[in-house]
Amino acid sequence: QKEVEQNSGPLSVPEGAIASLNCTYSDRGSQSFFWYRQYSGKSPELIMFIYSNGDKEDGRFTAQLNKASQYVSLLIRDSQPSDSATYLCAVGISNFGNEKLTFGTGTRLTIIP
Amino acid sequence: DAGVIQSPRHEVTEMGQEVTLRCKPISGHDYLFWYRQTMMRGLELLIYFNNNVPIDDSGMPEDRFSAKMPNASFSTLKIQPSEPRDSAVYFCASSSGTAGYTFGSGTRLTVV
Repeated sequence: QKEVEQNSGPLSVPEGAIASLNCTYSDRGSQSFFWYRQYSGKSPELIMFIYSNGDKEDGRFTAQLNKASQYVSLLIRDSQPSDSATYLCAVGISNFGNEKLTFGTGTRLTIIP
Repeated sequence: DAGVIQSPRHEVTEMGQEVTLRCKPISGHDYLFWYRQTMMRGLELLIYFNNNVPIDDSGMPEDRFSAKMPNASFSTLKIQPSEPRDSAVYFCASSSGTAGYTFGSGTRLTVV
């Protein structure tokens, strides 16, 4: 069983709609959770992090964490073509995410104009 | 800040040759990570350093791989001898103890 699992997609969403990306993890001791965006041929860039159960909002992005269910998600509201990318979920065991992170294989998101 | 700087951006080498990848972390960041990314396996952690000391090298695939961090501003990942299955994108990332990493632009390695 993979430590961090994501639906590989591709996930296609119409422009302006909500894109929902999901991630599950196996280590119950995990403390820090991250979402990275990776454009084709580029390096991953951090877009959101969350440590506590519940929702965290940043602009059009909302991260949701449920530690009991070992589940973390990313919602993108008002999806734009520029949101088309691969989204990587990453999980860490420290409170700050400055130690090693385990990444999922990513979900490829395509926003359809 | 120039971010995490990796070199070279692309490397094509013949099987059996030595390959050295280089990384300059963001100044002040005390954690440095080397990851490898392939389509099949995604991002895999190879090794990471804290204050120039290797903390976890359990992801280094075999003895052909070695990494060093002689000072706070420089790290190398060496593969000797290289094999076609080593072909991947190698990322270096650094962190300051606040949330998350900053990745470099990566080195695309092709071993023929």
